[in-house]
Amino acid sequence: GENVEQHPSTLSVQEGDSAVIKCTYSDSASNYFPWYKQELGKRPQLIIDIRSNVGEKKDQRIAVTLNKTAKHFSLHITETQPEDSAVYFCAASEKGSTLGRLYFGRGTQLTVWP
Amino acid sequence: DGGITQSPKYLFRKEGQNVTLSCEQNLNHDAMYWYRQDPGQGLRLIYYSQIVNDFQKGDIAEGYSVSREKKESFPLTVTSAQKNPTAFYLCASSFRSSGNTIYFGEGSWLTVV
Repeated sequence: GENVEQHPSTLSVQEGDSAVIKCTYSDSASNYFPWYKQELGKRPQLIIDIRSNVGEKKDQRIAVTLNKTAKHFSLHITETQPEDSAVYFCAASEKGSTLGRLYFGRGTQLTVWP
Repeated sequence: DGGITQSPKYLFRKEGQNVTLSCEQNLNHDAMYWYRQDPGQGLRLIYYSQIVNDFQKGDIAEGYSVSREKKESFPLTVTSAQKNPTAFYLCASSFRSSGNTIYFGEGSWLTVV
């Protein structure tokens, strides 16, 4: 099956700085890459996603980039705020299917210091 | 997200007992999933179902069982064969036309005492 590696496992930044989280995947047929944010004790929530026919996608302070050749994708958060503090998970789809499972990375604990 | 209901939110179980976690969705989603979350382990897939009366094992299915008799319901039974059942359990579902985007329920905390 797919193998998704996520780095770093913890990340601390000062408020206003940028944060970058990187993921690699193994299955070149994967075509869907979502990012989830999970606050303590709560459910993961989708914050942004990208499909394989796009190289970059932005939504206000959040952006995701995808490099299909290198099989890696990254989450970029600019102008970080304390409320961005959470665990972030990346994921990659099963082999090209439209209704298959997702494979998740182990998560990154982001802490934003005021 | 609000259309996926998990119950109970907190559950205590004695060793050797089976327990069933409920998951109901009113989003008309086709696929449903169960994930287990432990600290530092991320989200690990237990079982998933793409259609009624069919389901597949995920990565850590041993000691668990599921059923999918109705489209909106996907209960998970944690059996006594599961050696370390204390964890946070998340149910999720996805809508076929949105591809692989999945949405999570609020989760159930299971503690074995």
